[in-house]
Amino acid sequence: NAGVTQTPKFRVLKTGQSMTLLCAQDMNHEYMYWYRQDPGMGLRLIHYSVGEGTTAKGEVPDGYNVSRLKKQNFLLGLESAAPSQTSVYFCASTIGGFRFFGPGTRLTVL
Amino acid sequence: DQQVKQNSPSLSVQEGRISILNCDYTNSMFDYFLWYKKYPAEGPTFLISISSIKDKNEDGRFTVFLNKSAKHLSLHIVPSQPGDSAVYFCAASRGSGGSNYKLTFGKGTLLTVNP
Repeated sequence: NAGVTQTPKFRVLKTGQSMTLLCAQDMNHEYMYWYRQDPGMGLRLIHYSVGEGTTAKGEVPDGYNVSRLKKQNFLLGLESAAPSQTSVYFCASTIGGFRFFGPGTRLTVL
Repeated sequence: DQQVKQNSPSLSVQEGRISILNCDYTNSMFDYFLWYKKYPAEGPTFLISISSIKDKNEDGRFTVFLNKSAKHLSLHIVPSQPGDSAVYFCAASRGSGGSNYKLTFGKGTLLTVNP
């Protein structure tokens, strides 16, 4: 049981490049989330999904897209990366009220 | 508008002493509160929670107190250990069930426990 895993762990992009972050969970959870953590800002919700095939916007969705084609996977895409998207990204899944977080992806946009 | 506030960015205590981390909230609709702990280069992990129908919840060395009238909660760690050194996030939501997708986090407090 790996819990919540994220790929990749680190990435450096140039402004304008695109990339996809992958989140996978093996706990059969319905709800999945993408957060970003910035210094002094806490965790902010980007997008979330309440089940396979569904997605919704969180607090800071601009510049990101998501897809949940399979229940166990939640993808976060950056179509045209900007320096403001430099952050640590955390994926999480939920059963009941408890979120299980992945280890994070540190993204730097130059 | 910050609905969950952790006004102390950092806290330093001696091993064996009590650590008290504070959290204030402004939204009176919040009725479920959680504390998460985060080590560097890892994701946050759930520590302890409390429902608004209680004013105290205890789990081993960790106790969370809730003062609804003051919209304030605190996490007590007794005794503190060096392994408790981490960032602690306070979080709040409306409801504790599976539909509580909107979990609002504070900015976190870095706890350092000195040997």
